[in-house]
Amino acid sequence: SQTIHQWPATLVQPVGSPLSLECTVEGTSNPNLYWYRQAAGRGLQLLFYSVGIGQISSEVPQNLSASRPQDRQFILSSKKLLLSDSGFYLCAWSPGLAGKETQYFGPGTRLLVL
Amino acid sequence: AQKITQTQPGMFVQEKEAVTLDCTYDTSDPSYGLFWYKQPSSGEMIFLIYQGSYDQQNATEGRYSLNFQKARKSANLVISASQLGDSAMYFCAMREEGGGGATNKLIFGTGTLLAVQP
Repeated sequence: SQTIHQWPATLVQPVGSPLSLECTVEGTSNPNLYWYRQAAGRGLQLLFYSVGIGQISSEVPQNLSASRPQDRQFILSSKKLLLSDSGFYLCAWSPGLAGKETQYFGPGTRLLVL
Repeated sequence: AQKITQTQPGMFVQEKEAVTLDCTYDTSDPSYGLFWYKQPSSGEMIFLIYQGSYDQQNATEGRYSLNFQKARKSANLVISASQLGDSAMYFCAMREEGGGGATNKLIFGTGTLLAVQP
């Protein structure tokens, strides 16, 4: 069966510090991968998605970036965090096949920027 | 533009009763998918049920059913026989086409907080 991992689970960082959140998927190949952010009490906003290694699409202009160095690894980064980057970050995967749309989410990372 | 609307910020239901969570959507694409996710206090998004725009029958998964009314562009979630563990945030989402659907991007509503009372 497929599983998706995210770490760290919780992170408190000062403004201006760098960020690296990692997401890995097990039990599948060539997945589509996604990064979402959820602000407190709000819905999910898609930040990045990837359909393959090195292929990243950005949905929202911001100081965040994403990379996919391996087939089942997706990384969210920032060089300098802003207060507005605080939130709950969720990674998700879906089968990389047309018609298999369901996205499955990881446990999430709670980021607090102070 | 594609949009998901959940007009109920919060709802109460008595244990063992049924509850309907509303969701309306807007799209000009004839092919789309509709999803419901549950988010308990732990934060994890749990997939509940899926309905394709061309599906003839309403989707059901155990105690969850999706009341799909295409002409009204609504996709309400019905939870039968509510349990205390059903207390959570519920999100409706729509799969966005674009590029042949290969990216499977989801657009989410703002969610409904359900509280099940004993």
